[in-house]
Amino acid sequence: NAGVTQTPKFQVLKTGQSMTLQCAQDMNHEYMSWYRQDPGMGLRLIHYSVGAGITDQGEVPNGYNVSRSTTEDFPLRLLSAAPSQTSVYFCASTTQGDEKLFFGSGTQLSVL
Amino acid sequence: SQQGEEDPQALSIQEGENATMNCSYKTSINNLQWYRQNSGRGLVHLILIRSNEREKHSGRLRVTLDTSKKSSSLLITASRAADTASYFCATDDRGSTLGRLYFGRGTQLTVWP
Repeated sequence: NAGVTQTPKFQVLKTGQSMTLQCAQDMNHEYMSWYRQDPGMGLRLIHYSVGAGITDQGEVPNGYNVSRSTTEDFPLRLLSAAPSQTSVYFCASTTQGDEKLFFGSGTQLSVL
Repeated sequence: SQQGEEDPQALSIQEGENATMNCSYKTSINNLQWYRQNSGRGLVHLILIRSNEREKHSGRLRVTLDTSKKSSSLLITASRAADTASYFCATDDRGSTLGRLYFGRGTQLTVWP
């Protein structure tokens, strides 16, 4: 099993550009989530999903969109990137009865 | 915010010494978890302690939980240079969605050979 796979690992955007961060898991986990990690701020939840077709907002959802068309994939979209979205983004998944999160290796995003 | 707070922010010790990190949180929880993050990598789950447990062990790790004080501690015994990493506590929120965790800012542990 590959676990949670995130692509790309690094990305540089200009203000106003759009992009999609990809996340895929092969563990058949129903729950998936996106966090951002900023220096001195810990991890903050952006969006999460409890199953295909179901998504909800976390603590810091503004500027981000998500969809969950399959159990395996949970892409995060930035429609118009802003410098404040410069961060490291982590995707995570878990399943009922497990409770611990399995994290991807992260995407480092810089918005100039 | 439910966010946990770790203390200290940074800890520097010699190999063989014990490392203790503390976490405080604000609201009622179902469980508390500790994660480790090596530089430039994702977080890895270390240990989970439920609200009805007071202490739990896993190898060189010992976690305690005091729900009356809303605090937890992580003890790493006989530290090794390979333990150098950031350590985060994470709490859920009683009644919240599965997997929705609140993370603290972390403790940066450096273990010198």
